[in-house]
Amino acid sequence: GENVEQHPSTLSVQEGDSAVIKCTYSDSASNYFPWYKQELGKGPQLIIDIRSNVGEKKDQRIAVTLNKTAKHFSLHITETQPEDSAVYFCAAPGAQTGANNLFFGTGTRLTVIP
Amino acid sequence: NAGVMQNPRHLVRRRGQEARLRCSPMKGHSHVYWYRQLPEEGLKFMVYLQKENIIDESGMPKERFSAEFPKEGPSILRIQQVVRGDSAAYFCASSPFAGTELGEQYFGPGTRLTVT
Repeated sequence: GENVEQHPSTLSVQEGDSAVIKCTYSDSASNYFPWYKQELGKGPQLIIDIRSNVGEKKDQRIAVTLNKTAKHFSLHITETQPEDSAVYFCAAPGAQTGANNLFFGTGTRLTVIP
Repeated sequence: NAGVMQNPRHLVRRRGQEARLRCSPMKGHSHVYWYRQLPEEGLKFMVYLQKENIIDESGMPKERFSAEFPKEGPSILRIQQVVRGDSAAYFCASSPFAGTELGEQYFGPGTRLTVT
């Protein structure tokens, strides 16, 4: 199945600074890459996703970039705010199983220091 | 439009008992996925169901675990004869379409199972 690696595992930034989280995947057939934000005691919330026909997608302070050649994709959060503090997960589909399920990275705990 | 609903939110079971977890997908969604999350880890796929059909159960243990999504009512994940290693958060996600390339998965709040 797909192998998704995510770095860093923890990230602390000052409020207003940018945060970047990176993921790599193994299955070159994967074509959909979502990012989820999980706050303590809650379920993962889809915050942005990208499909393989584009290299970058932006939604206000959040952007995702995709490099299919290198098989990696990144989440960029600009002008970070304390409410951005959470665990962020990247994911990629299991193409070999007909893309029915997602394989998740191990998560990045982001702390935004006021 | 209500989101994905899961109940109970917390469940405590003694070893050997049965755990039954329920998931009601978002309105209009007919595709349900169950994932398990151990502490400090990412989510691991267990099973994918459509109404009255199990489509992919490749991530679900062969013994003690079963899932269903009946024509009427919520999807149920059942764990029989629970053991301490079953303690985890179980998340349900729903999607309007089959296949991740078309159907974004939206997650419920999860059920936190503790086996004592």
